[in-house]
Amino acid sequence: AQSVTQLDSHVSVSEGTPVLLRCNYSSSYSPSLFWYVQHPNKGLQLLLKYTSAATLVKGINGFEAEFKKSETSFHLTKPSAHMSDAAEYFCVVSGSLNNNDMRFGAGTRLTVKP
Amino acid sequence: DAGVIQSPRHEVTEMGQEVTLRCKPISGHNSLFWYRQTMMRGLELLIYFNNNVPIDDSGMPEDRFSAKMPNASFSTLKIQPSEPRDSAVYFCASRARRGAFNTDTQYFGPGTRLTVL
Repeated sequence: AQSVTQLDSHVSVSEGTPVLLRCNYSSSYSPSLFWYVQHPNKGLQLLLKYTSAATLVKGINGFEAEFKKSETSFHLTKPSAHMSDAAEYFCVVSGSLNNNDMRFGAGTRLTVKP
Repeated sequence: DAGVIQSPRHEVTEMGQEVTLRCKPISGHNSLFWYRQTMMRGLELLIYFNNNVPIDDSGMPEDRFSAKMPNASFSTLKIQPSEPRDSAVYFCASRARRGAFNTDTQYFGPGTRLTVL
């Protein structure tokens, strides 16, 4: 079985400052890990994914995440926040053999202040 | 590609009425997923299909909910009778066949916001 915990329900940053959204996972198998973003009244859009290749994964819009097996973490970062980054972010783990069992975190709401 | 298409985008109905949500997956994708999102429970997987066959419906809340996938390009989620607690955003997602495209990424539609009065 797998699960994911997003450590912060809400993160607030100022425009131009770094973003850190934290995610810890547990999985019985080698996991696939994803970050999705959901803007208000929109569907979920894939930001990036880790599937046992390079541990540092680069995604769209300047986001990246690092898979750390020893810490069971997959934190999402961005060097400089933009107003358009304000959204809900979901960390997702998929660890079953057929990858049909995806577990979503509760989400982290990112607020970007001018 | 137009992505995953869901209709309607918004639905307001009265308690006891039948509601049908529709989804068209991305062409060539062979797995389809229905999710429900609420403030209280977050994002929940309701059911998923592989090659039009329901594989796991353990997330379907009760017998009032049913889902079908008559062909590779269309799926429905039906609630009959609807209740106020069914109010939520319902998302459909599709995924390519892993053997062919070596991917496990699900692509989400824009969702249907359901309000049951």
